[in-house]
Amino acid sequence: EVQLVESGGGLVQPGRSLRLSCVTSGFTFDDYAMHWVRQAPGKGLEWVSGISWNSISIGYSDSVKGRFSISRDNAKNSLYLQMNSLRVEDTALYYCTKDLPGMKGNFDYWGQGTLVTVSS
Amino acid sequence: QSALTQPPSASGSPGQSVTISCTGTSSDVGGYDYVSWYQQHPGKAPKLLIYDVSRRPSGVPNRFSGSKSGNTASLTVSGLQAEDEADYYCNSHAGSNSFVFGTGTKLTVL
Repeated sequence: EVQLVESGGGLVQPGRSLRLSCVTSGFTFDDYAMHWVRQAPGKGLEWVSGISWNSISIGYSDSVKGRFSISRDNAKNSLYLQMNSLRVEDTALYYCTKDLPGMKGNFDYWGQGTLVTVSS
Repeated sequence: QSALTQPPSASGSPGQSVTISCTGTSSDVGGYDYVSWYQQHPGKAPKLLIYDVSRRPSGVPNRFSGSKSGNTASLTVSGLQAEDEADYYCNSHAGSNSFVFGTGTKLTVL
């Protein structure tokens, strides 16, 4: 059974940093691209960042470029999101998602999310 | 990376068909055959319904179908059922390892 379990969310002040983690199981992690997708309270989905299986291809949304950094550790079956210079508008539920083969944005498995609240 | 445009709401009676549109540009929807659709029930994680414009993952009923013409993709739900009431989102490759979601559509089964 495929499982994606996010952690690391919480309440943080504007301008501070937070690191999200996603531990996976049930599939061959280093065969697939992975992504972070967020959803602000009561709002729609927003793609945040994605990384290919070998970490060579990486992308960010314009809203987080230069502030967030995605990485993965294939030996630990884990995905990470380092979030710096956090803003109030980064408040959201952050989902870890798995892509189908390739890096095409076909998110076939989702975690339950970890909530990040940015507030003073 | 502007969000793809979807109608805020759609509705239909049980058994009817409803189509939800997703309009982008030649830099995203029109430029790639990598459009996917997701269903999200309240308080739940999204579920993949359609990928690569028109392909269905195993386990997704064939009542759900996808298509694309130019810069607009569409999701059609046939034979509407009560459990289809949910939010629906499209997503497209937008070049340079980036992706963009649609604004979302709330589907109501009357």
